[in-house]
Order: sequence, then C-alpha cells, then structure tokens
Amino acid sequence: EVQLVESGGGLIKPGGSLRLSCAASEFTFSYAWMGWVRQAPGKGLEWVGRIRSKADGGTTDYAAPVKGRFTISRDDSKNMLFLQMNSLETEDTAVYYCSTDWDGHRGSQGASWGQGTLVTVSS
Amino acid sequence: DIQMTQSPSTLSASVGDRVTITCRASQSVSGWLAWYQQRPGKAPKLLIYKASSLESGVPSRFSGSGSGTEFTLTISSLQPEDFATYYCQHYNGDSRTFGQGTKVEIK
Repeated sequence: EVQLVESGGGLIKPGGSLRLSCAASEFTFSYAWMGWVRQAPGKGLEWVGRIRSKADGGTTDYAAPVKGRFTISRDDSKNMLFLQMNSLETEDTAVYYCSTDWDGHRGSQGASWGQGTLVTVSS
Repeated sequence: DIQMTQSPSTLSASVGDRVTITCRASQSVSGWLAWYQQRPGKAPKLLIYKASSLESGVPSRFSGSGSGTEFTLTISSLQPEDFATYYCQHYNGDSRTFGQGTKVEIK
C-alpha cells in the first residue's frame, strides 16, 4: 500500500521560511508526479502545486497565491518530496497534504494522500 | 485559471436516499475531473477519476458522470459512513482547482 508521511510543520512567524518533507514508500516514487494540497482551518481544499517526474522533465507548476514564494522539489534517491515555503503569510496557515498527482497509466489524479502536517503562521 | 463551482454547498439527507452533487467548470476540462470524499480530521480519499471511473475499493453506490463543463457525483443509496464533505477537482492542463465542497449532513 502506498505510504506518504509528511513532516516539518509547526509555528512560524510571518515573513519566515519553513520546509516540509514527504517520505514516500511502497511505490516507484521516481516515476510519480507528486503534489501538495493545503486546507486552511475550517475551509476547503486548495491546490498548491505539483512536480513532474524527472522522466517527464521534472518541472513544476504552482497556484497563483504561492507562485514565487513556494518551491517544490524532489529527491528520487531518497523517495522524498519537499515544499520550501518562503515569505510566509498568515493566510498560509493550513494543513499541508502531500499527494500523488497525475498517473498517466490510469489517467487518474490524487490517488494517494498523506495524513497532513499543520503549518501555523502567527506572530 | 479554471474555476470549479459545486452545488449545493450543504445537503441534508437520510440513510437510503439517492444523492446528487453537481460540479461546474468555468471552461471545458474535457473528462479530467476527480471526486474526493473527506471525513473530519482525515485526508481526502479519491472516489472517481476521469469523470466516471470508480477508484479501486470504492463502493459501487458511488458513480460519476459528465464531460466538458458539467459533472455529477451520485450516491445511489446513502450509507451512514457517507456523511462527509465531497470535493470535485479538475486536472486539465498544468493547474488543478478544487470546488468549494459539498457537506452531506444527516437529515
């Protein structure tokens, strides 16, 4: 069974930086397109961004509210996904989920998710 | 960016009811539409992908239909464990957008 485990959340002051990690197992991570989704307290799901597999270029796409501040990267040798968050704002307070993105074989999206890690941006 | 609009925002229903949730896209997303279920405090769970393909392990009472800009999720006979919030998400092109969610409550 696919396992995704996020870590790195916590309390951070506005303007600060934080790096989230997602440890992946039980699937061929290097082939997978991966993404981040967040959910502010009591609110709906918001797509953050995604990274393609290296075989498909390893490129990234981001939602408008985080573009230029957040960076998604991956280390296929360690089966790890990262989200570097800079210039954090109070509006970035949310649970951040790591998920699988597009699966070209099945044509599916978001088949597996981690349990989430809470980021609180507050002074 | 493509906007996704779900209706209704809240739905009150009883066990055994047939329930339909609608998701509209601001422009065509072809068939690249997924539906998720989220229970309180839990991660989302994929139910339907490619508008109408049932994810493995998901009960057959869940079904999806539609293409282009209008999609529906139907639960044929609501069960106690189905009371949750449901989200649609398009995955056409380089962005993804979720609908605002539909909370299915006990009547």
